[in-house]
Amino acid sequence: DTAVSQTPKYLVTQMGNDKSIKCEQNLGHDTMYWYKQDSKKFLKIMFSYNNKELIINETVPNRFSPKSPDKAHLNLHINSLELGDSAVYFCASSQEPATNEKLFFGSGTQLSVL
Amino acid sequence: GQSLEQPSEVTAVEGAIVQINCTYQTSGFYGLSWYQQHDGGAPTFLSYNALDGLEETGRFSSFLSRSDSYGYLLLQELQMKDSASYFCAVRHSGNTPLVFGKGTRLSVIA
Repeated sequence: DTAVSQTPKYLVTQMGNDKSIKCEQNLGHDTMYWYKQDSKKFLKIMFSYNNKELIINETVPNRFSPKSPDKAHLNLHINSLELGDSAVYFCASSQEPATNEKLFFGSGTQLSVL
Repeated sequence: GQSLEQPSEVTAVEGAIVQINCTYQTSGFYGLSWYQQHDGGAPTFLSYNALDGLEETGRFSSFLSRSDSYGYLLLQELQMKDSASYFCAVRHSGNTPLVFGKGTRLSVIA
C-alpha cells in the first residue's frame, strides 16, 4: 500500500482554469503539507496542516486553497491558473509537528499550465 | 528566516567517497535533515542530526556541528544508483515545517 498518494500524477491545463490535486496518507500521521518544486528543483513549503487545522500558510497567492476534510486527506485547489504555477506539487505527511524532520512524500503532481 | 547553502553540483567516480556540505543560517535550530531525490521521483528521508557528531546508516553518514552551523552528508562506496539530488533541510522550531536547501545534484560516473 502506498503511504502517501496523490492524484493526478500529471495535470495539463489552460491558463485561467481551476484545478484540484488530491492527497491521502494511510500512515496515521497528524500533520500534512504541500510543497512546490520549481524547475530549478527548489522545494518550497506552501501549507502545513495539523489534525485538519491550518498551522502554516507561507506567502502563497490566495488562488491556492487547501482543504482538509479529515486528518488523512489534504487537497489543494487552485483557481485561475497562471503560467507561473507550472511546477511539481508534493504532498507530504509526518508524525506530528514536533518530530517532523522525517517527512513522507507523495509521488508528486506535475502541473503544466499552457 | 532561514537560509541554507549547498553546492549545486558534484561529480564523483563509482566506488569513491563524496561529501556534500551544507551551511545554514536560522533564527532557531531544531536539527538538520538530508533527503535524496531521483529524477522524476519524490524526496525520501536519509538522515537527521539534532546533536553534534556523526550518524551512520549503511553507506551514508551525516555530520553536524551546531557551533559552526554546518553539516555534511558522506556517501561511501558510491554506486551509479546514488546519482540523484540531495537536499539538506532545517526547521527552526518544533512547530515549523522543514525548509529545504536548493539541492546538490550528484552525478556518479564510471
